[in-house]
Amino acid sequence: DVKVTQSSRYLVKRTGEKVFLECVQDMDHENMFWYRQDPGLGLRLIYFSYDVKMKEKGDIPEGYSVSREKKERFSLILESASTNQTSMYLCASSLEVAAVQETQYFGPGTRLLVL
Amino acid sequence: AQKITQTQPGMFVQEKEAVTLDCTYDTSDPSYGLFWYKQPSSGEMIFLIYQGSYDQQNATEGRYSLNFQKARKSANLVISASQLGDSAMYFCAMRGMDSNYQLIWGAGTKLIIKP
Repeated sequence: DVKVTQSSRYLVKRTGEKVFLECVQDMDHENMFWYRQDPGLGLRLIYFSYDVKMKEKGDIPEGYSVSREKKERFSLILESASTNQTSMYLCASSLEVAAVQETQYFGPGTRLLVL
Repeated sequence: AQKITQTQPGMFVQEKEAVTLDCTYDTSDPSYGLFWYKQPSSGEMIFLIYQGSYDQQNATEGRYSLNFQKARKSANLVISASQLGDSAMYFCAMRGMDSNYQLIWGAGTKLIIKP
């Protein structure tokens, strides 16, 4: 079974703090994704990566950056957290991007509260 | 542009009854994939079922089936013999060339199974 883990289930941070969200997958997947989930909006893609040291912007990259130094690990960074970044953050991985049938596998999510 | 619409924000269903969760989509791609995910209160997104646009038969996975009506652009999820553990958020998503093979998500339906 694919296992995607996220470093924290819950985080509370203060405005202006630098925040790191870590994600690790154990299935040697090429692709990793960071989503943000807000009620009534579904999931929105922040960034994705299809290879080590590669990254692509998603639909809402502003205020975020990412790092992928190793294939299994994909980090989401909030350089200066703001209250409007309070949300649920979901990490996912998949084997291939350009295939309509490719399934993404998700981690348990991190609920971030920025005060 | 591709779009997913889930018109039911919430549903209550009696245990053991069948449930149909609605999903309509919009795309100009001839080739696309449709997905359903379940998100329990714990937060993790769990893949349930996939339907390809060229698949001749409706997809089934255990108690889950996908009622795919291509001409109407609908991909409803049917859960047979509902159980208390089916209470969760359910998301419909699609992928195609139009979205650069990224998943486009609906807003979700909250399903509550009553004992």
